[in-house]
Order: sequence, then C-alpha cells, then structure tokens
Amino acid sequence: QTVVTQEPSFSVSPGGTVTLTCGLSSGSVSTSYYPSWYRQTPGQAPRTLIYNTNTRSSGVPDRFSGSILGNKAALTITGAQADDESDYYCVLYIGNYIWVFGGGTKLTVL
Amino acid sequence: QVQLVESGGGVVQPGGSLRLSCAASGFIFSNYAMHWVRQAPGKGLEWVAFIRFDGTGKNYAASVKGRFTISRDKSKNTLYVQMNSLRPEDTAVYYCAKGGERGTYFFDSWGQGTLVTVSS
Repeated sequence: QTVVTQEPSFSVSPGGTVTLTCGLSSGSVSTSYYPSWYRQTPGQAPRTLIYNTNTRSSGVPDRFSGSILGNKAALTITGAQADDESDYYCVLYIGNYIWVFGGGTKLTVL
Repeated sequence: QVQLVESGGGVVQPGGSLRLSCAASGFIFSNYAMHWVRQAPGKGLEWVAFIRFDGTGKNYAASVKGRFTISRDKSKNTLYVQMNSLRPEDTAVYYCAKGGERGTYFFDSWGQGTLVTVSS
C-alpha cells in the first residue's frame, strides 16, 4: 500500500518563506508521479494550487511554487500572509488511474 | 466558469445505499475525466473514484472497491457515484472534482461537497 507523507504541521512568520514536502513511505517522488498541491480552509472546498510538479493553477499567485527537492515533492510559499493559514495537501498519481493523498500539513502563520 | 454542484447526500443506515450526483457546467463535460474525493469529519482528503472522459476507464480506492460505482451521463452533464453496503467509516463530505487536460493527472476544479452520514 502506497503511503504519501507530509509534515503534520508547520509554522511560518508573516512575510517569511516555508517549504512543505511530500514524500513516499518507500521510494522517491519524481515528476513521474505528477505531484499536485491543494489548500483547504475549514468548511471550504479544496482549491488547486500546483499541478505537474510546478505548474501553477489559474489565478494562483507566484508566491506559490512547486518543485522536486531531493526525493520529495515540495511546495514553497514566499512572503507568507495571514490568509495562507490553511491545510495543504499533496497528491501523487501512482498509475493505473489511482491517486493517493498525503495526510495534509496544517500551516500556521504567526 | 466551471461549476460543479453535488447533491444526494443524507443520512443512511449501515448496509444501505445512496447515489450522489454532480451537475457540471461551464466546460465541455464529455472532454474531461472526473473524480470523487471524500473527507471524513476532522480528517484529510481521500481520493475515492475516477472515470475517464469517455467513461471507458474507471478505478476506485481499495476502501470502496466493489461497493461504489462511478458513472457519467454526457446528455445530462452529470457525474454519479452509486454507494452500496455503506459503512460508518464512509461518513464524509463527498466532493466531485474535474480532471485536468488530457495527459495531466490532477484535480482541476472542485464542487462544494455533499455530506453523507452512515449511522443507525
């Protein structure tokens, strides 16, 4: 069974930079997993941020960027703002029309 | 503008069935893959099911395989999921999500979700 790992929580200061990661319990994440990233605030539907590792979804500011760092996918937020405080989820496509979500990272801006 | 509106949620007893619908508008429905994603109360997101743009390919998460069936009706621009043999652990908000352009593998747009509660 494929397990996608994310930091349970992270904090960043306003104006700061934070990098959230998305890994595999066994193996390395590569662009072949088509990593994508979503954010969600309580009671709201998810919003798409990044797909295909590093392509920003329509309307997403360039403060958000995706990459592969070492053996993980990464989401970097620069110039963090108060309303970036959300849950962030990564998803990996593992083939055969199967997707796996990470457990999510709760980002606090303080 | 893409719009996805889920309906059909409610309270159902364990072992019961429910069919959710997702009405799509603002895009050419028959050109895009579609998904169901769920979120149990206080938990993270879980991918549930996928259907190809033309309905010829489908797959399911292991947790629902054999119990849930995804389908689509291009004449009604509507996505469905038939949920049978429901269990308390199926309690969740169910979101439908539009796939990206062909050759991409992500969830492009989301509905607002519909709540399913499985309880006696």
